[in-house]
Amino acid sequence: DTEVTQTPKHLVMGMTNKKSLKCEQHMGHRAMYWYKQKAKKPPELMFVYSYEKLSINESVPSRFSPECPNSSLLNLHLHALQPEDSALYLCASSQNTGQGALNTEAFFGQGTRLTVV
Amino acid sequence: AQSVAQPEDQVNVAEGNPLTVKCTYSVSGNPYLFWYVQYPNRGLQFLLKYITGDNLVKGSYGFEAEFNKSQTSFHLKKPSALVSDSALYFCAVRDKEGSYIPTFGRGTSLIVHP
Repeated sequence: DTEVTQTPKHLVMGMTNKKSLKCEQHMGHRAMYWYKQKAKKPPELMFVYSYEKLSINESVPSRFSPECPNSSLLNLHLHALQPEDSALYLCASSQNTGQGALNTEAFFGQGTRLTVV
Repeated sequence: AQSVAQPEDQVNVAEGNPLTVKCTYSVSGNPYLFWYVQYPNRGLQFLLKYITGDNLVKGSYGFEAEFNKSQTSFHLKKPSALVSDSALYFCAVRDKEGSYIPTFGRGTSLIVHP
């Protein structure tokens, strides 16, 4: 199984709502990532989890809250978002992080298309 | 510091013709280079990578890429383009002296005309 599964595929939420994005992988990868991608732009790194611990937070606003309940699951909790947060949110995983990860590719999910109204 | 440049926003090619999508990089040490493809409303899919060894790397869907150290380039190629190759292509680099987090190029939109 070389898949990263993201749910939901599409999400429309109001600015006062609370919602969560979910990501799952069963490849035994110990690094998991959240990216934000605007149309026709490269993905922007948000968070990195390494061995279920948050290792990188790219100065993301606190209205985005990541969680890694176990080595296979990654969540992104959303609260009080703004319309400019509308984007494709991508989850990715790779074997591990650090120097040992340099020659490994990342596997991406198909993303959650988020629209904030 | 690591960086990667994709000089073309868009590449247009006729079906059956060869295609090239350009990528140049800048790193402090030895580069680890990757190509990903993204179809509309989908995530990125890994195509191929260069780590070490043979400068010509073969990947998925008939794509290949040539690593050129002197020109610091890693151009993506395919001998005969298909309409279904139309997508957004990203080059990415990691540097042993830098961060394990890959740096992505801005992306090149490939359009293959029937």
